[in-house]
Parts: sequence; structure tokens; C-alpha cells
Amino acid sequence: DSGVTQTPKHLITATGQRVTLRCSPRSGDLSVYWYQQSLDQGLQFLIQYYNGEERAKGNILERFSAQQFPDLHSELNLSSLELGDSALYFCASSAYAYSGGGNIQYFGAGTRLSVL
Amino acid sequence: DAKTTQPPSMDCAEGRAANLPCNHSTISGNEYVYWYRQIHSQGPQYIIHGLKNNETNEMASLIITEDRKSSTLILPHATLRDTAVYYCIVITGSARQLTFGSGTQLTVLP
Repeated sequence: DSGVTQTPKHLITATGQRVTLRCSPRSGDLSVYWYQQSLDQGLQFLIQYYNGEERAKGNILERFSAQQFPDLHSELNLSSLELGDSALYFCASSAYAYSGGGNIQYFGAGTRLSVL
Repeated sequence: DAKTTQPPSMDCAEGRAANLPCNHSTISGNEYVYWYRQIHSQGPQYIIHGLKNNETNEMASLIITEDRKSSTLILPHATLRDTAVYYCIVITGSARQLTFGSGTQLTVLP
């Protein structure tokens, strides 16, 4: 158990809909990262928050947004969903802002999103 | 971040050591080598990391060549539960995210 909690585990929805994925980081971790894993793209970094502030952006679509709340949990909002958004979405947390230098990212079990 | 090259797949007999190579010939002096693994659609799991010296923890050993252009992850006694995709990632200390490549699919055979 990594200590990172993601809900829900599975989500089935229709095209055009909006969903929210939730992540609770490990106790004491200030950074939250979101990754998307689809069959054809592999694991792709989406966005990072550190202590409530956005720190880095990857290949995140404009239809997607995220935020980190004062209690440090994070939500990833996906809107106007398309078939191609079907994927595994992982959240990771770490103690510090940067990924290297001994800072370790711990991953949750993921949310499997199916857009029909 | 430096590019890494890993073999797409490897097999290992259960109970034997699994040696997973990674080439990172363009690595710079301030870049770390990290290893993660992903067991069938589960969240990636941190294994080990190093900068210059060899490292060992309860899961594995990391051997980095003296010129730092390649490294080997060693699972000393592979079990069936070690079957996974193993990712070698090279990043600086100030990197904002992990960049995952294709990794090596390790299959541990009974």
C-alpha cells in the first residue's frame, strides 16, 4: 500500500460528460502529480501541484483541469469527454516539489475511466 | 532529461537473479537514475535510485557504471510476483515530473 488513495476505482460515462477524479496524498506529502496511461501513449505526465499551487504542466488538454485543496487532496476534472479519454489515471505524491534528488513519487492504484 | 534505452522484454527463471540493463549514454553529472516498476495496470512502484554509487535496498540493487552511461537493476532472487514492466528513468534533481519510456517487460518463469 503506497498510502496514496484514489477514488473511484472505476468510472464509466458517456461522451460529452464531465467527471471528477479524487486523490488523497500520503500523509505529509505536499506534491501531487497526475498521470494518464492509455494503451497507445504509455504513462504521460499531466500536471503537478505543490502545496496548493500549480508547479508544472505536461500534456494536459484544455478540457482537463486540476486543483489541490488546503487539506492537500487533489481533484482532476475531465470535461467534454471523448472516446479517446478512456484510460487509467494515476495520482502520485511526494514530499517535495522536485522529482529528482532523492524525492520519491508514490503512486495510487489509479482510476480506470471508460468513455462509451 | 537524458534519453534511456531498455530492451523491450526479458525472461528470468524463478529464484534466479534478474539483471535489467539500461543505457543512458547522454546522462549528465547532475542526473539521477531511478527505477520504477508497474505490475499489470497497477500504479507504478518505486524500486531504487542512485546518482554515482551503487545502491542496495530491500527490493533490489542498482549498479551504475563508472562512466555513468549505463546501469543495471538486479533483483537477486526473482519471484513470479516480480513479473512487471520495469522503467529506467533519468532525471535531474530539479525535474518536475517523471518521464516514462516503454520499459522492459520482465517475465519470471516458474
